[in-house]
Formats: sequence, C-alpha cells, structure tokens
Amino acid sequence: NAGVMQNPRHLVRRRGQEARLRCSPMKGHSHVYWYRQLPEEGLKFMVYLQKENIIDESGMPKERFSAEFPKEGPSILRIQQVVRGDSAAYFCASSLGTGGAYGYTFGSGTRLTVV
Amino acid sequence: AQTVTQSQPEMSVQEAETVTLSCTYDTSESDYYLFWYKQPPSRQMILVIRQEAYKQQNATENRFSVNFQKAAKSFSLKISDSQLGDAAMYFCAYYRDDKIIFGKGTRLHILP
Repeated sequence: NAGVMQNPRHLVRRRGQEARLRCSPMKGHSHVYWYRQLPEEGLKFMVYLQKENIIDESGMPKERFSAEFPKEGPSILRIQQVVRGDSAAYFCASSLGTGGAYGYTFGSGTRLTVV
Repeated sequence: AQTVTQSQPEMSVQEAETVTLSCTYDTSESDYYLFWYKQPPSRQMILVIRQEAYKQQNATENRFSVNFQKAAKSFSLKISDSQLGDAAMYFCAYYRDDKIIFGKGTRLHILP
C-alpha cells in the first residue's frame, strides 16, 4: 500500500501562473481532504471531497482556488493566478468512509513557492 | 467554532527525560476525538495518539501518553524516555463532523 501520494513535492510558480497539485488517496479510500500549512503554523482545512462531489469547501478562498476529485484519477487542487501569499505547504489526506475519527492518512505535502 | 490552542511554541528536553506538551481546546460538543500528530523535518504528518472523548481512560502508545481532562478541555501529551528521533513539530488536533482542526504546534528539541 503506497499510502497517500502527492505530487509534485515542490512546485515553483511565478506570480500570475496556475498551480496544479495532485493527490492520489490510499487504495480503497474515497474521501479526500486538502489542508494548507503556512510557515510556522498548523494545518488549516480547505476542502473535503468524495468521488465527483465537493462535500465541504468552507475553508477554500472564494476566488482562484478550486478542487475536484473525479471518478477516475487523482484529486486536483488548482490555484489560478497565484500570488506570493499562496506560498505554503499543501497537504492531502484520505480516509475510508467518514474515517476521520481514526485520524486521516496524510501525504507528504506539496510545497508551493510563488516567486 | 472549535479552536485548539497550544501555548508552548517551543520546548526542549534532555534525551531520556520526560516532557509534557500542553493543549487546550474549545467546543460545546460532548462527542468528539482528539489527536496528537508529529511532523518531523520530512514534513510527513504522523499520527501519534488518539483519544475518544467519551472514554475517561487516558490513551497510551508505548512511550507516549495523554492526560485528558474533559471538563477542563485539556489534552496534554507526555513523552517518556525522550529520544533524538522525537525531535519534531507536534500538533494537537480536534475532530468532529468530518473536519480536523489543528493547533499551531509545539516545536520539540531533544538535547543529547
């Protein structure tokens, strides 16, 4: 079991470009969560998805950010027209059903740097 | 809204000694879960220990144990016989309704 796979591990984008972050959940997991970690901060919830559905996006910025989890393929977090303030580590986690009570399995994160 | 507070940004402990990391949280719910996660320099988030709020017994995992005080909304982590590999950021977290809320973390240094 490869665990939660995130790629790329590091991503550098210039201001105004688009960033696409990918997350493949653990085998058999159909629930995916995205979190953002600013330097020296804890992880902040962004969005919770099930296959083809957004369940809770209360932590997503209203503009430029979107997420999807298609029927086939990885979950994608997309940031359009990136700004310096988007620089952070973005973590994906997955669970089997609503398995958060046992703690999610996290990926190693994607560190986004906007220059 | 639920919040999680870790009042110690950094702590140091001598190798083989015991250290306690503090955490308080705010909630109006009676049924929830609490966690401690470890984040080493590799950035990987590792679940250290888990506590169910409806269980009075404190959780224990090898050298890691918690002191869960539900009425005080306190959830501290005790690390016994500290090892160099324990050096990391430690995050206290609260779970309910499909969402984990994290504190800001405590950076733990292990002194050889």
